[in-house]
Amino acid sequence: AQSVTQLGSHVSVSEGALVLLRCNYSSSVPPYLFWYVQYPNQGLQLLLKYTSAATLVKGINGFEAEFKKSETSFHLTKPSAHMSDAAEYFCAVSTLSGGYQKVTFGTGTKLQVIP
Amino acid sequence: DAGVTQSPTHLIKTRGQHVTLRCSPISGHKSVSWYQQVLGQGPQFIFQYYEKEERGRGNFPDRFSARQFPNYSSELNVNALLLGDSALYLCASIPTGTGSSGNTIYFGEGSWLTVV
Repeated sequence: AQSVTQLGSHVSVSEGALVLLRCNYSSSVPPYLFWYVQYPNQGLQLLLKYTSAATLVKGINGFEAEFKKSETSFHLTKPSAHMSDAAEYFCAVSTLSGGYQKVTFGTGTKLQVIP
Repeated sequence: DAGVTQSPTHLIKTRGQHVTLRCSPISGHKSVSWYQQVLGQGPQFIFQYYEKEERGRGNFPDRFSARQFPNYSSELNVNALLLGDSALYLCASIPTGTGSSGNTIYFGEGSWLTVV
């Protein structure tokens, strides 16, 4: 079984401040991990993906995430928040299940950026 | 290149009715998955299809069905609609269907279904 827990359904930061969105996963096999962003009334856009090639993964729009196996975490960070970062962010874990790619999403974290 | 296209973008149905949602994957992608996203929650996996065959199914009732066509487009059908079926239905396009859990999944903009 696999699961994802995102701590904090809402996070508020000031413009220019550090963004930290937390994600912990549970998986019985080595997982692939993803962060997606969803802007209002839109679909999901891939931010970054962990594939075991490197524990620190850089994504689009200045975001990065670090895979920590010992902590089963994959937190998303950005050094300086921009107003355009206001959106909902989803962490997801992917494993093979019965031969197909099973992806489980967290419940999401809404990021508010305060000017 | 066109991304994942879904239609319709918005629709309103009455309880007990039937709905069909359509999806065209990215050119060259042979696998399609469907997800349901209820307001305030993350997407929940419904189906995955690869080469016109169902390869995976989430915890959804038999009222939900899908199929994939020779051109890899897909339809999601929901019968006997309930109020709780109101959600954003997302189609996802996957480069390959089996053998890897590391494929990037590309999502469409979704179809907003409201059941009244």
